[in-house]
Amino acid sequence: QGQLVESGGGLVKPGGSLRLSCAASGFTFSDYYMAWIRQAPGKGLEWVSYISPSDTTIYYVDSVKGRFTISRDNAKNSLYLQMNSLRAEDTAIYYCARDRFYVGNDYWGQGTLVTVSS
Amino acid sequence: EIVLTQSPATLSLSPGDRATLSCRASQSVSSFLAWYQQKPGQAPRLLIYDASNRATGIPARFSGSGSGTDFTLTISSLEPEDFAVYYCQQRSNWPPYTFGQGTKLEIK
Repeated sequence: QGQLVESGGGLVKPGGSLRLSCAASGFTFSDYYMAWIRQAPGKGLEWVSYISPSDTTIYYVDSVKGRFTISRDNAKNSLYLQMNSLRAEDTAIYYCARDRFYVGNDYWGQGTLVTVSS
Repeated sequence: EIVLTQSPATLSLSPGDRATLSCRASQSVSSFLAWYQQKPGQAPRLLIYDASNRATGIPARFSGSGSGTDFTLTISSLEPEDFAVYYCQQRSNWPPYTFGQGTKLEIK
């Protein structure tokens, strides 16, 4: 059974930066697309970004384009999200999830909270 | 971007009742729709994919149906652990793989 563990969340001021990490285990990480999905406090889910197994395909939702960068290190079974120019509206729990084409997100981490506030 | 609209926003039922949750897409997503369950303080869990296929380990009381723009998640007989928030997600051709706004299933 796959496991995902996020880290790197915290409190940051508007305009600041943060780098989230996600450690994967229990499946062949290098075979799968991986995604970041976020949830603002008390709100619904927002699909943010994903990356293909070999980095050739990357997608971002419009609200984070130019500010967030997704990356992965298959040798370390790790997924990353570099977040720059953070805004209050980026405050959310950020989940790392395995992404399967046409199926959905079948493995999720426990989430890491990012709070953007002065 | 494909918009998903879930109804009702809140559904109040009792254990043993049948629950019917709806998800409507702004354009056809063929059968590429997934359903998730989320309990307070937990990550979402994949229940249904491809509109009608149960994910691994999901009980048979959960079923999905629909195609094109209209989809339904049915829970045949509610167990106490089924009271949660349910989201649909479209998985058609290209991202963003948008979610609906959620339906809260609460105990009556």
